[in-house]
Amino acid sequence: DVKVTQSSRYLVKRTGEKVFLECVQDMDHENMFWYRQDPGLGLRLIYFSYDVKMKEKGDIPEGYSVSREKKERFSLILESASTNQTSMYLCASSFGQGAFTGYNSPLHFGNGTRLTVT
Amino acid sequence: SQQGEEDPQALSIQEGENATMNCSYKTSINNLQWYRQNSGRGLVHLILIRSNEREKHSGRLRVTLDTSKKSSSLLITASRAADTASYFCATDRGANNLFFGTGTRLTVIP
Repeated sequence: DVKVTQSSRYLVKRTGEKVFLECVQDMDHENMFWYRQDPGLGLRLIYFSYDVKMKEKGDIPEGYSVSREKKERFSLILESASTNQTSMYLCASSFGQGAFTGYNSPLHFGNGTRLTVT
Repeated sequence: SQQGEEDPQALSIQEGENATMNCSYKTSINNLQWYRQNSGRGLVHLILIRSNEREKHSGRLRVTLDTSKKSSSLLITASRAADTASYFCATDRGANNLFFGTGTRLTVIP
């Protein structure tokens, strides 16, 4: 079974702090994703990565950055946390298909990190 | 938005009854996926249906896809209390990436 592990289930940070959310997957997946989930808004894509040292902006990248130095690890960084970044953050991974072939692999999600910024 | 939109937003049924959730989307797709999320947890993949498929089964789950109407439905038969969760549809947006809807919250009453 694929396991996607997020380092913290709950996190409380102060406004202005730099925050690191870590995600590790154990199935050698090429693709990794960071989403945030808010009531009434569903899941929104922040950043994703198809390979080591590669990153692409999603729908709401402002205020965030990412790092993928190793294939199994994808980190989300809040450069200067703000209260509007209070949310549930979900990491996911999937098997890569190389260039888009019209087929999407299922995403495997971690259990999420509930971040509160005060 | 190209997001899938689930309908209804919330559904409450008795154990043993069938639950039907619908998903509509706006642009053409290559495939559509359904996910489940238990409260406070990550999403779990349930089933994927490709654009050239009309129906797919997995255990007590049945998914249909009507590309002419840009809609899909998820049927859970003989529901159980353990099926209580939120259910999301997700449509492909190219290159191994997905749009998620806002979900249907299903409550199964024992």
